[in-house]
Amino acid sequence: AQSVTQLGSHVSVSEGALVLLRCNYSSSVPPYLFWYVQYPNQGLQLLLKYTSAATLVKGINGFEAEFKKSETSFHLTKPSAHMSDAAEYFCAVGPNGNEKLTFGTGTRLTIIP
Amino acid sequence: EAGVAQSPRYKIIEKRQSVAFWCNPISGHATLYWYQQILGQGPKLLIQFQNNGVVDDSQLPKDRFSAERLKGVDSTLKIQPAKLEDSAVYLCASSLDSGFTDTQYFGPGTRLTVL
Repeated sequence: AQSVTQLGSHVSVSEGALVLLRCNYSSSVPPYLFWYVQYPNQGLQLLLKYTSAATLVKGINGFEAEFKKSETSFHLTKPSAHMSDAAEYFCAVGPNGNEKLTFGTGTRLTIIP
Repeated sequence: EAGVAQSPRYKIIEKRQSVAFWCNPISGHATLYWYQQILGQGPKLLIQFQNNGVVDDSQLPKDRFSAERLKGVDSTLKIQPAKLEDSAVYLCASSLDSGFTDTQYFGPGTRLTVL
């Protein structure tokens, strides 16, 4: 079965600093990978997705993620954090074949003024 | 375009009561999903519809949960009777189709508290 592991349930960065949110996946087939963001009291919004094309994927709001097969990773980065980036971020894998879209447990990002 | 609509946004009930949630997907989206998001966890798929047929309900607790999607558009999710552990946010999502890379668009969710 496929799964994702998000390292760090809480991450704090200073405004203007690099944002790095970690995600490692496990999949028996070439994965499709997604990052979603959830603002307070809102649903999930797609940030970006990897679908086996370019390994560096650019998303909305200045975020990007790099697929590294050798490390089974799909870390999310943003060069300079803004206060508006404070939210919860979910990494997800799939769906593929009989597998569902499977989410990690989320990372809450706090931006320090 | 209008997004996925859900109602109510919040619901508080006592255990053993029943509750229903409503979802209106994005117009033209064939696939509709219901997810359960327990505090501190990622969303978990409960049921997936393709038009008005069920594609996957393997994680739906069928002894108390039921869902339907009449005419392949709106959907309702019902819990009867509710348990304390059903306290969660219930998210509805829709996608154009059920392909591997089709983006799922999520509604704002219904926060259920069972006392």
